[in-house]
Amino acid sequence: DSGVTQTPKHLITATGQRVTLRCSPRSGDLSVYWYQQSLDQGLQFLIHYYNGEERAKGNILERFSAQQFPDLHSELNLSSLELGDSALYFCASSAALLANNEQFFGPGTRLTVL
Amino acid sequence: DAKTTQPPSMDCAEGRAANLPCNHSTISGNEYVYWYRQIHSQGPQYIIHGLKNNETNEMASLIITEDRKSSTLILPHATLRDTAVYYCIVRALTGANSKLTFGKGITLSVRP
Repeated sequence: DSGVTQTPKHLITATGQRVTLRCSPRSGDLSVYWYQQSLDQGLQFLIHYYNGEERAKGNILERFSAQQFPDLHSELNLSSLELGDSALYFCASSAALLANNEQFFGPGTRLTVL
Repeated sequence: DAKTTQPPSMDCAEGRAANLPCNHSTISGNEYVYWYRQIHSQGPQYIIHGLKNNETNEMASLIITEDRKSSTLILPHATLRDTAVYYCIVRALTGANSKLTFGKGITLSVRP
């Protein structure tokens, strides 16, 4: 158990819909990262927040957005869902900002878009 | 971040050492070598990281060549639970962009 929690575990929805994935980092960790894992693209970095501020963006679509709240939990919002958005979504947390901190990953949310 | 190359798969017998190679010939002086693994769709798990010296922890050992162009992750006594995809990642220490860039990894199968 990494100490990172993600809800829900599974989500099934239809094309065009909007969903919110939630992540609670390990106690005390200020950084939250979101990754997407699909069969064809592998594990890809989406976005990084540190203490409530966006720090870096990866291959995140404009239909996706995220935020980190004052209590440090984070939400990833996916809208106008397409079949290709079906994937595992992981969040990870780390203690600080710098690159040498290991990231602890949550169990993931499996999103299925029908 | 420098690119890494790993063979797609390997196997080893339970109880034996598993030696997982990784090439990172374009690694820069300020880049670390990290290893993570992912067991069957679970979240990736940190294993170990190093800069130029060999490193050991309770999970594994990391051997980095003197020129730092390649490294080997060693699981000293592989068990069936070590069957997973292992990712070798190179990333810089400095800077605020601390994302992990995953490649395809190497699938390790531990056989009984």
